[in-house]
Amino acid sequence: QQQVKQSPQSLIVQKGGISIINCAYENTAFDYFPWYQQFPGKGPALLIAIRPDVSEKKEGRFTISFNKSAKQFSLHIMDSQPGDSATYFCAASKGSNYKLTFGKGTLLTVNP
Amino acid sequence: DAGITQSPRHKVTETGTPVTLRCHQTENHRYMYWYRQDPGHGLRLIHYSYGVKDTDKGEVSDGYSVSRSKTEDFLLTLESATSSQTSVYFCAARDEWDYGYTFGSGTRLTVV
Repeated sequence: QQQVKQSPQSLIVQKGGISIINCAYENTAFDYFPWYQQFPGKGPALLIAIRPDVSEKKEGRFTISFNKSAKQFSLHIMDSQPGDSATYFCAASKGSNYKLTFGKGTLLTVNP
Repeated sequence: DAGITQSPRHKVTETGTPVTLRCHQTENHRYMYWYRQDPGHGLRLIHYSYGVKDTDKGEVSDGYSVSRSKTEDFLLTLESATSSQTSVYFCAARDEWDYGYTFGSGTRLTVV
């Protein structure tokens, strides 16, 4: 049973455009929702995270939108740049041990 | 990634042989995790540790064991490697008060 479903699998955006990646979760006990960015040959790195008590969090060009009733959250990358080309993972966890359950990832390509 | 070192970075081994991967951290993180990354599957949790000698299973733990005798080291052992265990293995760690994981750079394991 896949607890975190991520879409699309791949995304191509032009420089300056908006990249949108979506995730849906099933377990209503999840209470922490991070996004990770991974470049080839590297480990994932935390990009931005949100808790369900807020509907939106913004850090620079990156924004998480959270819809608790729909059990969905999304990552928006404004003014996308070629350097943003990477694989993005959404994740979710619950409780004090914070075992993250990851989505399957989205390969983002930003064309110059 | 700063503070977390995985060794070896690459390994080729034969089916049926035992293999141990090492994760070493210098930040005194309490929680440590082992994930495997496979195309189309994202990151899946193998085992995790919530303290010295305290470990528990993740979603794909069959065929793997772990040990944590010191805070800084978390070992992953493939008891008898199989081709299905060919993957990229990532170690991650976090503090009790910081929900974000810090990942190592990964170990690419090939079982032939």
